Amino acid sequence: DAGVIQSPRHEVTEMGQEVTLRCKPISGHDYLFWYRQTMMRGLELLIYFNNNVPIDDSGMPEDRFSAKMPNASFSTLKIQPSEPRDSAVYFCASSPGLAGANTQYFGPGTRLTVL
Amino acid sequence: AQKITQTQPGMFVQEKEAVTLDCTYDTSDPSYGLFWYKQPSSGEMIFLIYQGSYDQQNATEGRYSLNFQKARKSANLVISASQLGDSAMYFCAMRRFEGANSKLTFGKGITLSVRP
Repeated sequence: DAGVIQSPRHEVTEMGQEVTLRCKPISGHDYLFWYRQTMMRGLELLIYFNNNVPIDDSGMPEDRFSAKMPNASFSTLKIQPSEPRDSAVYFCASSPGLAGANTQYFGPGTRLTVL
Repeated sequence: AQKITQTQPGMFVQEKEAVTLDCTYDTSDPSYGLFWYKQPSSGEMIFLIYQGSYDQQNATEGRYSLNFQKARKSANLVISASQLGDSAMYFCAMRRFEGANSKLTFGKGITLSVRP
């Protein structure tokens, strides 16, 4: 089975540009998570969805960030306009459930550099 | 609130030896799960092992085992017979079993270097 798929793997853009990160979760997983990883702050949960519905977006840093999940097999994280401090690795993860031993499986990540 | 503490700044181990990576946690929830992930230099996050707070036995997965001491709130990862490919960052994480916001809380991670 394919794991979580993310694209692009690397993105370099200039400050002020719009950036769109994409994720395809594992088929059958009802939960999808977006994380950001930096050296300073470690791994932070930005937002998560259950059955395509955003449940908790308290980790989204500001209005420049938005996430959507139009269907069970696709999600996007958009940054508009991007700033240099947004440079980080962005992970998407999916899980069949939230309780018990249900494990989150991570995608390979998108390394974003904003110049 | 939940908190995960990984205080070892960096660990070194000789190839083929065992190593223990420390993780302590703080929670007031009666039931919870503990997870370990590996992040090699290539960047992906790889799930290694899971331990439930009510599990009677320590979890094992191949060369990975979890030394779970509930009273001390510690969940140390033991890697036996270290291999060069074990060199990576290792993250401990926990999640409460119940509740609407059962999110994973991650520690800061520990760097492990395996020497040949």
